[in-house]
Amino acid sequence: GNSVTQMEGPVTLSEEAFLTINCTYTATGYPSLFWYVQYPGEGLQLLLKATKADDKGSNKGFEATYRKETTSFHLEKGSVQVSDSAVYFCALRRNTPLVFGKGTRLSVIA
Amino acid sequence: DSGVTQTPKHLITATGQRVTLRCSPRSGDLSVYWYQQSLDQGLQFLIQYYNGEERAKGNILERFSAQQFPDLHSELNLSSLELGDSALYFCASSVAGASGRLTDTQYFGPGTRLTVL
Repeated sequence: GNSVTQMEGPVTLSEEAFLTINCTYTATGYPSLFWYVQYPGEGLQLLLKATKADDKGSNKGFEATYRKETTSFHLEKGSVQVSDSAVYFCALRRNTPLVFGKGTRLSVIA
Repeated sequence: DSGVTQTPKHLITATGQRVTLRCSPRSGDLSVYWYQQSLDQGLQFLIQYYNGEERAKGNILERFSAQQFPDLHSELNLSSLELGDSALYFCASSVAGASGRLTDTQYFGPGTRLTVL
């Protein structure tokens, strides 16, 4: 079946550090891929998405590129801020509702 | 603000009881999805309705049921509650159904936190 594996957290970074959160997936065909973010006490917000191979999703300084050859969709940001502290979820959709990874908690310290 | 509303925000009840969670989708969205978020299981899809009809089923227990009404709001009913049902329950909505566009984006509500004592 379809599944998503993302790096386990928590990840703790200093402000302005570079962020990478790894995400790999298993699915038949070409799923759509998503990153959602959950801020403390809130619901999930769509951060970015990509719908076909080599697409790059981007939003709020975050980027992720759909890599079919490595079945990956790693999330990156060049310079994190304290306000980026949250839980990040990688997800896919392929003829089903969303399948989520377990989430990665990011803490950014000033 | 995603435009998806959920009530109540918090719910505390006892084992064996029954509760109803309510969700109003974004204006114009025909699909409603329910997810459960727990520490041990992560985020799991429960069930989807599209324009009043059940469209897809995930890891939903027989003690749980849902429906979508003509005005498109949805309710998730949880009965014979157990301690392990304590979790965050999210509703999401989107325009298309399960066989619709793969680019269809789901928008999530703020969740209902259920605590079973």
